[in-house]
Amino acid sequence: RKEVEQDPGPFNVPEGATVAFNCTYSNSASQSFFWYRQDCRKEPKLLMSVYSSGNEDGRFTAQLNRASQYISLLIRDSKLSDSATYLCVVNLGGTASKLTFGTGTRLQVTL
Amino acid sequence: GAVVSQHPSRVICKSGTSVKIECRSLDFQATTMFWYRQFPKKSLMLMATSNEGSKATYEQGVEKDKFLINHASLTLSTLTVTSAHPEDSSFYICSAWADVDNEQFFGPGTRLTVL
Repeated sequence: RKEVEQDPGPFNVPEGATVAFNCTYSNSASQSFFWYRQDCRKEPKLLMSVYSSGNEDGRFTAQLNRASQYISLLIRDSKLSDSATYLCVVNLGGTASKLTFGTGTRLQVTL
Repeated sequence: GAVVSQHPSRVICKSGTSVKIECRSLDFQATTMFWYRQFPKKSLMLMATSNEGSKATYEQGVEKDKFLINHASLTLSTLTVTSAHPEDSSFYICSAWADVDNEQFFGPGTRLTVL
């Protein structure tokens, strides 16, 4: 079983749509959770951290369910510029600990 | 946020040659840097953790004699792919841990093509 699993997609949605991505992780000792965004042939960039209480940043909402070892990302009012691959990322915690990346979910927003 | 640079951004070389990739933290000191590799349509896979002044810690399945890592200063880590072969062609990305920000910052990546 992969440490971090995501539906690879692609998700093709029209502009303005709401889209949700899911992710599961296998290590129950994981401490920190993130969503990164990666554009084609570019490095990943941190989109947001994910907290158990859920957190929102503009059109983006992230949720964490530790009991189910499940993380989600909701994007409302999709923009063309949201087209990218969204990476679910987990780490075991501690200073400078290594990140484990999911394979990513590809989103394509169309007119 | 903090800035991490990589050089070169792209390299094409012949099979059997060695290639050195540099990773620099430009505006902060990083005692820990990480090297990742990403094949097309695959996830980033951690290759090794580079610690300033000590030996790198390699992930299982990564040959330390083939991928030489040197972290001689708090702002520079290098990855040398020795005797590169076509199967080493990949996107190599480094990241640096910024203690102040408690966050990893990624370099722009180096695309290696071995002919």
